[in-house]
Amino acid sequence: DGGITQSPKYLFRKEGQNVTLSCEQNLNHDAMYWYRQDPGQGLRLIYYSQIVNDFQKGDIAEGYSVSREKKESFPLTVTSAQKNPTAFYLCASSAGVSTYEQYFGPGTRLTVT
Amino acid sequence: QKEVEQNSGPLSVPEGAIASLNCTYSDRVSQSFFWYRQYSGKSPELIMSIYSNGDKEDGRFTAQLNKASQYVSLLIRDSQPSDSATYLCAVNTNAGKSTFGDGTTLTVKP
Repeated sequence: DGGITQSPKYLFRKEGQNVTLSCEQNLNHDAMYWYRQDPGQGLRLIYYSQIVNDFQKGDIAEGYSVSREKKESFPLTVTSAQKNPTAFYLCASSAGVSTYEQYFGPGTRLTVT
Repeated sequence: QKEVEQNSGPLSVPEGAIASLNCTYSDRVSQSFFWYRQYSGKSPELIMSIYSNGDKEDGRFTAQLNKASQYVSLLIRDSQPSDSATYLCAVNTNAGKSTFGDGTTLTVKP
């Protein structure tokens, strides 16, 4: 089955720890995205990548880092510099090159205490 | 002004009625417009995309785009309780990324 997987579904961390969220897709999509969603809010773009080994900051990149070493993988690291990391994190992909319909993974709920 | 604005809702309609969801955007050069449905606790799923002025129909869903008024809407005919969800409008403002509205929560009452 083609799709996007994110792991884990729930993640708990202590304040001050870095944590890496996994995102893998087997849709052969060029573009991948990371969003953050807070309760009752829309999606805010953290980082996106249109091609391997290249990525751009979104609207709220501070305190986050990414890598895109493989087409199918786009991990997100939430660093200790992110002041309010508790949120629902969503990974998405799109075919790219004028096709911007995005398909989402199931998400990871991160709780930092 | 937000780049993409939606009626905050919540919107409540009786079963079988037409639900109308509205979205306005600020960037005139926007080219691509999307509606996503998000059930509580789940991730968004794409339900409609529209690229040119006019109406686009897919089953019970109709997307309407008016670029001159910078307005896009989603109509859901014969609304069902299973349509109860938050609907997110997204606009592609720069090649490669979309900006999302905050969503409108729809409740369809049996």
